[in-house]
Amino acid sequence: SQQGEEDPQALSIQEGENATMNCSYKTSINNLQWYRQNSGRGLVHLILIRSNEREKHSGRLRVTLDTSKKSSSLLITASRAADTASYFCATVGAGSYQLTFGKGTKLSVIP
Amino acid sequence: DGGITQSPKYLFRKEGQNVTLSCEQNLNHDAMYWYRQDPGQGLRLIYYSQIVNDFQKGDIAEGYSVSREKKESFPLTVTSAQKNPTAFYLCASADEKLFFGSGTQLSVL
Repeated sequence: SQQGEEDPQALSIQEGENATMNCSYKTSINNLQWYRQNSGRGLVHLILIRSNEREKHSGRLRVTLDTSKKSSSLLITASRAADTASYFCATVGAGSYQLTFGKGTKLSVIP
Repeated sequence: DGGITQSPKYLFRKEGQNVTLSCEQNLNHDAMYWYRQDPGQGLRLIYYSQIVNDFQKGDIAEGYSVSREKKESFPLTVTSAQKNPTAFYLCASADEKLFFGSGTQLSVL
């Protein structure tokens, strides 16, 4: 079952612009994680935010979590061509060990 | 890819054949996972293991089998019962977050 749903499915921006991706989920979570995947490669963990946290930063990444709306957003500031990839949110349900992935947002950063 | 090694990178299966995908980790993680990814789609969980000699079915386990005889190894067998095996297969180990291998692309001849 895919709990997380990313929006938009695809996003194309110019280098230097900010990119915002959203994730919605359906049930209570322990934490929410964002991953990045370059074409034909495995996923790389970007950031984890716990259910009692509202915002986290890591370099040019900013993640917010709104548990009342069951949603999260990933902001990439000052995008670079190298940020071109697919971005996935994954949720860990309360009392669970499993991560459930959404279908991802495909980001294209145009030089 | 963070200490997770998947092999082979590409694999071809003939009809009626079982094939095994290898996954090895040196991160000393107890938990390991197998996911399937179809083009343009997210990841779907096939099997996972929280500890040696124990594993559980995920959302799409039919036509697949696994073993966990060693902490470092979690091989996945795609059996002839899996009628649509063409996909990208990803193995991961985990502490609180997942560490992925580089994947195996399985195709049918």
